[in-house]
Amino acid sequence: DIQMTQSPSTLSASVGDRVTITCRASQSISSWLAWYQQKPGKAPKLLIYKASNLEFGVPSRFSGSGSETEFTLTISSLQPDDSATYYCQQYSSFYSALTFGGGTKVEIK
Amino acid sequence: EVDLVESGGGLVQPGGSLRLSCAASGFTFSSQWMHWVRQVSGQGLEWVSRINSDGTSTDYADSVKGRFSISRDNAKNTLYLEMNSLRVDDTAVYYCVTTFCGGDCYFEDWGQGTLVTVSS
Repeated sequence: DIQMTQSPSTLSASVGDRVTITCRASQSISSWLAWYQQKPGKAPKLLIYKASNLEFGVPSRFSGSGSETEFTLTISSLQPDDSATYYCQQYSSFYSALTFGGGTKVEIK
Repeated sequence: EVDLVESGGGLVQPGGSLRLSCAASGFTFSSQWMHWVRQVSGQGLEWVSRINSDGTSTDYADSVKGRFSISRDNAKNTLYLEMNSLRVDDTAVYYCVTTFCGGDCYFEDWGQGTLVTVSS
């Protein structure tokens, strides 16, 4: 089975900081990767699909990059509303299951 | 606007059964793949199962294979998850999710979730 590993598991940063979250796949997934934001008590919200495509309505301070096995989610200027847990998810048709990373909790200092 | 409303969660004893439902509106339900994703409290997300638009193709995570069954009624715009032989580690919030690019896709729209608690 393919494994998705996110790092760090938690991070604390100040408003205005540039924040980067990494997601690594145990095998190549081309660009079949999505990123989600989840706030407490709420369902996840799609941010990025196909590694770098911004979902409609998502602020442009969010961006994604990477391919094959290594991917990043970047928040260019952290805002208070960005306090949340972020998950990556692979959706390559080569594998039988859809798999999430373990999550990264972003806290505001 | 897409709306997905889950129901059917609750408290059940280990070994018991439960059927979840998801009422869908705001899109052409009969044209889209549908999924169930679960989340243990305070933990990460786990894909559980998917079903194609006409119900003829289904897949399951290894953790639920042989115990859970996904189905749909396109006339009622409703998705189901029949859960049997429930275990304590099946305790989670279960989300109904739709995708708009096939079975291997990112998750576009989510329901609010329904809590399933397996405990004696």
